[in-house]
Amino acid sequence: DVKVTQSSRYLVKRTGEKVFLECVQDMDHENMFWYRQDPGLGLRLIYFSYDVKMKEKGDIPEGYSVSREKKERFSLILESASTNQTSMYLCASTSPGTGRYEQYFGPGTRLTVT
Amino acid sequence: QKEVEQDPGPLSVPEGAIVSLNCTYSNSAFQYFMWYRQYSRKGPELLMYTYSSGNKEDGRFTAQVDKSSKYISLFIRDSQPSDSATYLCAMRYISGNTPLVFGKGTRLSVIA
Repeated sequence: DVKVTQSSRYLVKRTGEKVFLECVQDMDHENMFWYRQDPGLGLRLIYFSYDVKMKEKGDIPEGYSVSREKKERFSLILESASTNQTSMYLCASTSPGTGRYEQYFGPGTRLTVT
Repeated sequence: QKEVEQDPGPLSVPEGAIVSLNCTYSNSAFQYFMWYRQYSRKGPELLMYTYSSGNKEDGRFTAQVDKSSKYISLFIRDSQPSDSATYLCAMRYISGNTPLVFGKGTRLSVIA
C-alpha cells in the first residue's frame, strides 16, 4: 500500500512565524502535490513537483514556497504565517509511470495561525 | 464557468437508500475520472477509477461516465451510516503530466 505521511496532524503557530510542513511518501512516486482545503472552497492546489528540485506553481502559490531535495520528501514553507493561512493542508503523490494518475493523499495537517 | 462543478450538498438520506452523486465538467479533454471519499478530519482516499466512458462497479458502488453529456456519477446502493463522508470527483486530461482537477465535494449523511 502507498503511504503518504505528514509531519503533524495539528499545528498552532503565531502570526509572522516561519512554518514548515513536511510530507514523505514511500512508493518512489515522481509527482508530489500540496493542497489546502477550506469549507466551501474545496481542494486548492498550492504547488506541485514532478521531480527532485523541480517545482510548479498551482492555483494559489502566494505566501508559500516549497522544497524538494529528495524524491520522497516534499516540504511546504509558510515564510511568514498569517491568519488567512489557517487551513487543512493535504499532501499527495502519484506516479505517472503507472498510467493511472490517481493521487494518494496523506492524513492532512490542520494548521491554526493565531 | 468552473472546469468541474459539483453540488456541495449536504445530502441526507435514510439508511438503505440509493445515493446518486454527480459532477459536470466543461473540458472534453478530460479522460480519466475518479471518485474520492473523505471522512471528517482525514485525507481523501480513492474510491473509484474509470477511464473514458462507461460504467464500473465495485460492490455497492457504481461509477458512470457520460462523455457526450460531460457528466459523471457515483451511485451507492444500500447506503450505510459508514458511507457518511464527503465525496469528491476528480478528473484528468488525456495528455501531459498535469494535476487532477477536483470538484468541491458533496457532503453525504446516511441516517440510521
